[in-house]
Amino acid sequence: DSGVTQTPKHLITATGQRVTLRCSPRSGDLSVYWYQQSLDQGLQFLIQYYNGEERAKGNILERFSAQQFPDLHSELNLSSLELGDSALYFCASSVPTWGAQTGELFFGEGSRLTVL
Amino acid sequence: GENVEQHPSTLSVQEGDSAVIKCTYSDSASNYFPWYKQELGKGPQLIIDIRSNVGEKKDQRIAVTLNKTAKHFSLHITETQPEDSAVYFCAATTLYDKVIFGPGTSLSVIP
Repeated sequence: DSGVTQTPKHLITATGQRVTLRCSPRSGDLSVYWYQQSLDQGLQFLIQYYNGEERAKGNILERFSAQQFPDLHSELNLSSLELGDSALYFCASSVPTWGAQTGELFFGEGSRLTVL
Repeated sequence: GENVEQHPSTLSVQEGDSAVIKCTYSDSASNYFPWYKQELGKGPQLIIDIRSNVGEKKDQRIAVTLNKTAKHFSLHITETQPEDSAVYFCAATTLYDKVIFGPGTSLSVIP
């Protein structure tokens, strides 16, 4: 168990809809990362937050947005969904508030989104 | 920005043989190179990492080598076992920055 919790685990929705994926990072971790993994694809970096502020952005579509809240949990919002958005979305956390920063990312088990 | 390439995309080895996965990176500022293993239905998990001030690191059957001049690094798994079958991802980054992963290598260890 990595300590990172993602909900929901599975989500089926229709094209044009909007969904919200939630991530609770490991206790004390300040940074949250979101990745998209399509079928037989690698881990595509979407966005990174550090202590509530956006730190880095990857190839995140304009239809997607994210935020990190004061309690450090994060949400990824996906709107105007298309068939191609079907994927596994991973959240990872890092950068503990205490102890050494090792660089290790702790991944959740992912949220599998299916767009029909 | 950083770009990480990884080869091969698939690899099959007989149990007990060695497996080697190679990666190259583009950003000379990167100084931290982790390797993650993703088992079916799970999130990736760190198995070993190396920093730019080290050329080689070993942990039991797993070793990583880094050539900063050539900007490439490799993962070596010796005495492979069926439980080593998984997808392996290399990555390059600096601490605190975004972590860019290679496309992955699907390793199959044949009993």
